[in-house]
Amino acid sequence: KQEVTQIPAALSVPEGENLVLNCSFTDSAIYNLQWFRQDPGKGLTSLLLIQSSQREQTSGRLNASLDKSSGRSTLYIAASQPGDSATYLCAVSSVFGNEKLTFGTGTRLTIIP
Amino acid sequence: DAGVTQSPTHLIKTRGQQVTLRCSPKSGHDTVSWYQQALGQGPQFIFQYYEEEERQRGNFPDRFSGHQFPNYSSELNVNALLLGDSALYLCASRPQGGPGIAGELFFGEGSRLTVL
Repeated sequence: KQEVTQIPAALSVPEGENLVLNCSFTDSAIYNLQWFRQDPGKGLTSLLLIQSSQREQTSGRLNASLDKSSGRSTLYIAASQPGDSATYLCAVSSVFGNEKLTFGTGTRLTIIP
Repeated sequence: DAGVTQSPTHLIKTRGQQVTLRCSPKSGHDTVSWYQQALGQGPQFIFQYYEEEERQRGNFPDRFSGHQFPNYSSELNVNALLLGDSALYLCASRPQGGPGIAGELFFGEGSRLTVL
């Protein structure tokens, strides 16, 4: 059974700092990994999708990496801003044909102005 | 272009009642999945619909059922509500091509269900 873990559960950093969020998964047989952002009481916004054959994806100040063999992904946020405050969730999809996502419990990020 | 839309946004029910939640997928999407997110937890997969059929199901009892219509919209029904069913119910859609096609999953804002 796939399990996804995100550490730390909460993180506070001053505005302007670069930061890294971690995600680990127990079964390396994944199809893709997706990072989401969730604001309090809201739905999920897709940030980055990495296919299992890829090593990283970038979008603006965000960069996500994937090391499938070690079961790890990181989300790097450069030059953090107060608007980046949210919960960040990673989710993995099993091998082709089974798109059910397994989510971690998220990292609650607070950027201090 | 409207994204994934869900209704209602909030609702309150009592134990034993039944509830129906609705979802319209993003334009150009034909696969719909439902997730349950309890407070402080990550979303849990309930089931997925494609071509009006349930294709995959997570570890949820038969009290949870669904439907997909020819226009790709979907409903989630929960019978005999329990206090533990209180959660944010999220609908997600994927671009046309069906399950397994590479692509992002797009989520709606969710329906917040409170069971008293």
